Amino acid sequence: DTEVTQTPKHLVMGMTNKKSLKCEQHMGHRAMYWYKQKAKKPPELMFVYSYEKLSINESVPSRFSPECPNSSLLNLHLHALQPEDSALYLCASSQQDSLNQPQHFGDGTRLSIL
Amino acid sequence: QKEVEQDPGPLSVPEGAIVSLNCTYSNSAFQYFMWYRQYSRKGPELLMYTYSSGNKEDGRFTAQVDKSSKYISLFIRDSQPSDSATYLCAMSGYYGNNRLAFGKGNQVVVIP
Repeated sequence: DTEVTQTPKHLVMGMTNKKSLKCEQHMGHRAMYWYKQKAKKPPELMFVYSYEKLSINESVPSRFSPECPNSSLLNLHLHALQPEDSALYLCASSQQDSLNQPQHFGDGTRLSIL
Repeated sequence: QKEVEQDPGPLSVPEGAIVSLNCTYSNSAFQYFMWYRQYSRKGPELLMYTYSSGNKEDGRFTAQVDKSSKYISLFIRDSQPSDSATYLCAMSGYYGNNRLAFGKGNQVVVIP
């Protein structure tokens, strides 16, 4: 089991639904990340939060909306997704968003858009 | 040219063999080098984390970094079927922050 916990593990939703992915870590890390991973590809960075503030948005469509309610929690709100958004969504955390801080990943939420 | 090159071709080895994986990179600004292991339907798990050129050992795993050649390697000794996974190299430092540049990943199958 990883120290970064993601829920739900699987999610199937229609294109008009609204749902949220959750990520939690209790390692005292102050940087948290969302990645998207398609099959047989490496993870692609979506968002970075540093000290609960959004520091990087990698030109992600607005149908993905991140939120960091506190230093342990990270949410990704989903609305009006497209079939091509089906992927594994990974959360990661590190001590800080600076050099020499390895990132630790959760096991992801496998998202399927009908 | 892609920042990090990793030959994604699947690798099948018999149990007990040495697995050798490598990545090359083009920009000498990369400073930190990682190997992640990813089992099917799981997230990447940090295996090795190195900074300087040279070798780092952890049990059956050895990570090697050659900054002058811009080349990193991962060796798995006495491979086990439980080592069957995808191995991703990653590196950071190029952007002056913690952004990771990943290789494409190598699928490794250890045959009992």
